Amino acid sequence: GESVGLHLPTLSVQEGDNSIINCAYSNSASDYFIWYKQESGKGPQFIIDIRSNMDKRQGQRVTVLLNKTVKHLSLQIAATQPGDSAVYFCAESRGGGGNKLTFGTGTQLKVEL
Amino acid sequence: DVKVTQSSRYLVKRTGEKVFLECVQDMDHENMFWYRQDPGLGLRLIYFSYDVKMKEKGDIPEGYSVSREKKERFSLILESASTNQTSMYLCASSSGQANEKLFFGSGTQLSVL
Repeated sequence: GESVGLHLPTLSVQEGDNSIINCAYSNSASDYFIWYKQESGKGPQFIIDIRSNMDKRQGQRVTVLLNKTVKHLSLQIAATQPGDSAVYFCAESRGGGGNKLTFGTGTQLKVEL
Repeated sequence: DVKVTQSSRYLVKRTGEKVFLECVQDMDHENMFWYRQDPGLGLRLIYFSYDVKMKEKGDIPEGYSVSREKKERFSLILESASTNQTSMYLCASSSGQANEKLFFGSGTQLSVL
């Protein structure tokens, strides 16, 4: 069946290092992808998005890479800070109306001092 | 900034009770969504709405209903709460444009005893 999933449930990095969080998707018809950050006790917050006609998009300290050939999405965080500790979700839009997003199961990012 | 407000942060109910979860957004968004979030399962879509008085089932609608009488308000209803509905419930909204990000509320942690 179709799924959006993450390779690793937990990722530990040292403060100052770069973090890479991966996500696999299986629906080749998906045309919009998005990353959310969820801190403990809060709702998910938008980080960055990318449309299927792009393969890279950069934000402030974050970069999203899209590889449509292997249906892979990654989030790169530069110079990871303690405030980056959170659960990160990827999500895909499978078309249709209403911006209905399907979410992955999440990756816990832990930043070690 | 968009604000999505969920009426309760924590809620404790008994099996068989009728439960109302309320959500209000202040950005005149057309689309509103209810997700539930469980450990290891990510966010799963329960119901969504494109417009006032309009609703569509998501991936897990069983045991739930919704109401959207006004554009800014989207209510999730558990007709007869059961223990397997203990979960974090997240409301979200988005504009009517295609492939636009969702804005989430802080969530309601519901415990059904």
